[in-house]
Amino acid sequence: GEKVEQHESTLSVREGDSAVINCTYTDTASSYFPWYKQEAGKSLHFVIDIRSNVDRKQSQRLTVLLDKKAKRFSLHITATQPEDSAIYFCAASTGGNNKLTFGQGTVLSVIP
Amino acid sequence: DPKIIQKPKYLVAVTGSEKILICEQYLGHNAMYWYRQSAKKPLEFMFSYSYQKLMDNQTASSRFQPQSSKKNHLDLQITALKPDDSATYFCASSHRLGGYEQYFGPGTRLTVL
Repeated sequence: GEKVEQHESTLSVREGDSAVINCTYTDTASSYFPWYKQEAGKSLHFVIDIRSNVDRKQSQRLTVLLDKKAKRFSLHITATQPEDSAIYFCAASTGGNNKLTFGQGTVLSVIP
Repeated sequence: DPKIIQKPKYLVAVTGSEKILICEQYLGHNAMYWYRQSAKKPLEFMFSYSYQKLMDNQTASSRFQPQSSKKNHLDLQITALKPDDSATYFCASSHRLGGYEQYFGPGTRLTVL
């Protein structure tokens, strides 16, 4: 089955800098790649997604890049703020039954 | 107002007992899911339902039984509880199956003693 690997388990950046979180997946049939944010003790909050028919998607300070050949996708956060500090999860789905396979999570710390 | 309600928020059970986790969504979605998050494993898909029909079951054990009495309800019955079942169980929903954004509920944190 699908495996999603999240490369950075922790990431610390200074406020105002950019942060990049990288994920790889194994199933070439995966076509939907969402990202979720989880703050301490809370649920998952959707932040952005990308589908396989595009290779880039931007929403305000967030950009997702998808490289289907390398089976890799990444989340770029610009002008980071302390409130961006959280655990970020990448996920992949083939779309059929909408089953999301998650990466292990990246703890992002934005230092003021 | 919360759009996905999970009850209870916290649950403590003894080994061998049975519990039901409740999930209701008020987003008008047609697909619902259960996921599990434990200290030992990443977020793990358990079930997907579409229009109250089971579409996918990725749990290895029949001790986990989803129940959908209404279109916007998807409860999770867990029998013969084991300490390894301790986890936070998240209910999620989406407009329908097929690559749509999933919204997650607040979770039920289950501890099995």
